Amino acid sequence: NAGVTQTPKFRVLKTGQSMTLLCAQDMNHEYMYWYRQDPGMGLRLIHYSVGEGTTAKGEVPDGYNVSRLKKQNFLLGLESAAPSQTSVYFCATGWRDVTDTQYFGPGTRLTVL
Amino acid sequence: GQNIDQPTEMTATEGAIVQINCTYQTSGFNGLFWYQQHAGEAPTFLSYNVLDGLEEKGRFSSFLSRSKGYSYLLLKELQMKDSASYLCAVRDSNYQLIWGAGTKLIIKP
Repeated sequence: NAGVTQTPKFRVLKTGQSMTLLCAQDMNHEYMYWYRQDPGMGLRLIHYSVGEGTTAKGEVPDGYNVSRLKKQNFLLGLESAAPSQTSVYFCATGWRDVTDTQYFGPGTRLTVL
Repeated sequence: GQNIDQPTEMTATEGAIVQINCTYQTSGFNGLFWYQQHAGEAPTFLSYNVLDGLEEKGRFSSFLSRSKGYSYLLLKELQMKDSASYLCAVRDSNYQLIWGAGTKLIIKP
């Protein structure tokens, strides 16, 4: 089992360009999350999904869009990249059970010039 | 606002014991989590506390006091591979995880 995978691992964009980050999981988890991690700050939730076809905003959703057309995939889109979106992006998955343990993908390091 | 505080960095010696503290102020409380994150890698789950007291899991233990808004992660018999960042996270009343900035633990021989 691959667990949680993210594509791509690294990307450099110019301001104004667009891109899509893909998160895929084979753990049959209902819940999927997109976080960003910046130096000196905690993980911040961008968007999340509680099931196929549903999405919701997290703490820092502006400038991002998401889609969950299939249970196993969660896409994060940047329509017009800005330098402030330079960050490491992590996808996580899990069940909404008692412990709510989240399983993280390896991350995507994005630089916007 | 919601806030989670942890020391930025700690240093300890191989074979010793270290305690990493976490204090929190959140809108509601539905559990506290500790994750480990090695440099350049993804966070991985370490422990979960929802009731007051100590949870022990091998060399790692986690303590919670809900009345004080306080938790600590205790690492015993430190090994070089324990060099990592340790992230404290609290699940609030909306069942969202609020994350601390993490504590970078440096282990010296």
